[in-house]
Amino acid sequence: GAVVSQHPSWVICKSGTSVKIECRSLDFQATTMFWYRQFPKQSLMLMATSNEGSKATYEQGVEKDKFLINHASLTLSTLTVTSAHPEDSSFYICSGSGRLGTDTQYFGPGTRLTVL
Amino acid sequence: QKEVEQDPGPLSVPEGAIVSLNCTYSNSAFQYFMWYRQYSRKGPELLMYTYSSGNKEDGRFTAQVDKSSKYISLFIRDSQPSDSATYLCAMSLMTTDSWGKLQFGAGTQVVVTP
Repeated sequence: GAVVSQHPSWVICKSGTSVKIECRSLDFQATTMFWYRQFPKQSLMLMATSNEGSKATYEQGVEKDKFLINHASLTLSTLTVTSAHPEDSSFYICSGSGRLGTDTQYFGPGTRLTVL
Repeated sequence: QKEVEQDPGPLSVPEGAIVSLNCTYSNSAFQYFMWYRQYSRKGPELLMYTYSSGNKEDGRFTAQVDKSSKYISLFIRDSQPSDSATYLCAMSLMTTDSWGKLQFGAGTQVVVTP
């Protein structure tokens, strides 16, 4: 149980285009979803927290207009990287929380974004 | 100073040995402690979680928390090559204001050699 999926797993796009990443909780209702980015050989950096039906809360230094997050339902959150640039290339990982009412987060497999 | 310190490794052990991983933390208010395993180019997978001081065992894995010393450990017995991965410790304050905000260690890369 506690499975989170992400789509796509890998995307390459041209600079200036927008990319949408989907995060789904498959067997539980994720009242809260989190988006992280991870650079090679580094730990996870929290970008934003979203609750179903509410606006996302962004961490300091994360541009909310660049990284649009929508948490439309208890099982789906999307991250849209707008006007992507090469420096946005990274590994983006989502997680869901809400199962068993604990603070435990269950992570998706990640999406590797490469901006040319 | 980071709130959670973890040696990045790599830690290389022979197959069958015990893997010992540690994290120290500075904020005594942390209440909830987790260990995740992350394979290359994959998302972290939850291995164990605990709220209290003491030991918790699950199969080959033992998680240990010492709140008085602000120190947590993960032990992997009878290590296998498939255990080769990066292990991340994470902890949480479990307060309303910080709900869901996990503080991660940098991760320790473990290599189990056949």
